[in-house]
Order: sequence, then C-alpha cells, then structure tokens
Amino acid sequence: EIVMTQSPATLSVSPGERATLSCRASQTVTINLAWYQQKPGQAPRLLIYGASTRATGIPARFSGSGSGTEFTLTISSLQSEDFAVYYCQQYNNWPRTFGQGTKVEIK
Amino acid sequence: EVQLLESGGGLVQPGGSLRLSCADSGFTFSNYAMSWVRQAPGRGLEWVSSISGSGTSTYYADSVKGRFTISRDDSKNTLYLLMNSLRGEDTAIYYCAKDNLLATSWCWFDPWGQGTLVTVSS
Repeated sequence: EIVMTQSPATLSVSPGERATLSCRASQTVTINLAWYQQKPGQAPRLLIYGASTRATGIPARFSGSGSGTEFTLTISSLQSEDFAVYYCQQYNNWPRTFGQGTKVEIK
Repeated sequence: EVQLLESGGGLVQPGGSLRLSCADSGFTFSNYAMSWVRQAPGRGLEWVSSISGSGTSTYYADSVKGRFTISRDDSKNTLYLLMNSLRGEDTAIYYCAKDNLLATSWCWFDPWGQGTLVTVSS
C-alpha cells in the first residue's frame, strides 16, 4: 500500500497570503494524484486531479504541481472560504490512499 | 447535476449489521462506478469499497473484506453497503462518491454525498 504523507499538519496563514501544502508518496504515483478540500461538517470537494488539473468550478488561485513522489498544492491568495482541511489522494495503485490532511487555519 | 444522499447510519452494537444506502437523482446512475469512503471521528479519509458501473466487479479494503458487501440497484438509482460483524473501529462517517475512471483505471472521487454516521458501540 502506498503511504501518503502530508506536511505540515497545520498551516497558519493570514488572509491574502500564499499557502503551500506538501504531499509525499512512499513510492512513485506518476501524476495520478488528486487534492480535496473539506470544511467542517461537509463532504470533501475535489479541487485538483492529474496532479495539476483544476476540477470544474475551482478558482484559479488553486494550483497543483509535482510528479513521482513529491506534490504541492498552492493557494495563491487565501480567501476566508479557503480555511479548511486539505487531503491528497493517489490513484496510481490499489488501494487508493489518502494523506492524513493539512489544516489551513487563520493566523 | 449529481446529488448523492446517504442514509441508514446509526448506533449498532459490536458484531451487529447495518445497511447503508446512497441514492442519486441527478445523473444516469447505471453508467458510473461508485465507491464508499469513510472518515473516523477527527481522522482522515479511508477508501472502503468500489463497484463497477455494470456491478460485475467489486473491490474492498483489507480492513472490511469478508464483512462488507457493496451492491447497486440501477432501477432505483441506489448504491448499498451491507456491513456485517461490525467493530468499534468501523465507527465513522460513510460517504458515497462517484468514481471517475480514465480508460479502465480507477481515479478520483467526485462528487461526494454528505455522509451518514455509523457508530459501533455497546
């Protein structure tokens, strides 16, 4: 099973600032990686797939990059609605696995 | 628009059974593969089970294999998860989600339902 490790566990950011979240895979997943956003009491929402393709309706301030084992989700200018937990998920191998999440909180 | 609504969660004793349902009203349900993903309280996400669009192929996480059964009734646009021999570690919110496939590769989950809480406790 591929283990996905996200860092940091918590990221404190001021509104308007850039946030950079990391996700590392225990073995290569090529670009078969997705990112999700989850707000309290809500279901996860797909942000990015294919490591860098934004899902329908996702604002351009969200961008994904990376390949192999190292991935990054960048939020260029944090809005109030972006404070949430973010998960990465690999779909290169079965079982599909998620990282433990990064909480983006208001500084 | 896809709208997934889970039901069937609740409190069950260890060793008991529960059947979850996921109904959709927004798309041609029978064309799509579907999955269940769970989230233990305060924890991350764990894939549980998937079923192909035809229903002929099913997949399970090792943690639930032999205890859970995924199925679908396309005439009712409904996905099911029958959970037997429940344990405390099965306590979680269970989400159904539409699977997205590239050719024959199973990929990301989108969209998701709002989830139903299963609590296993005596």
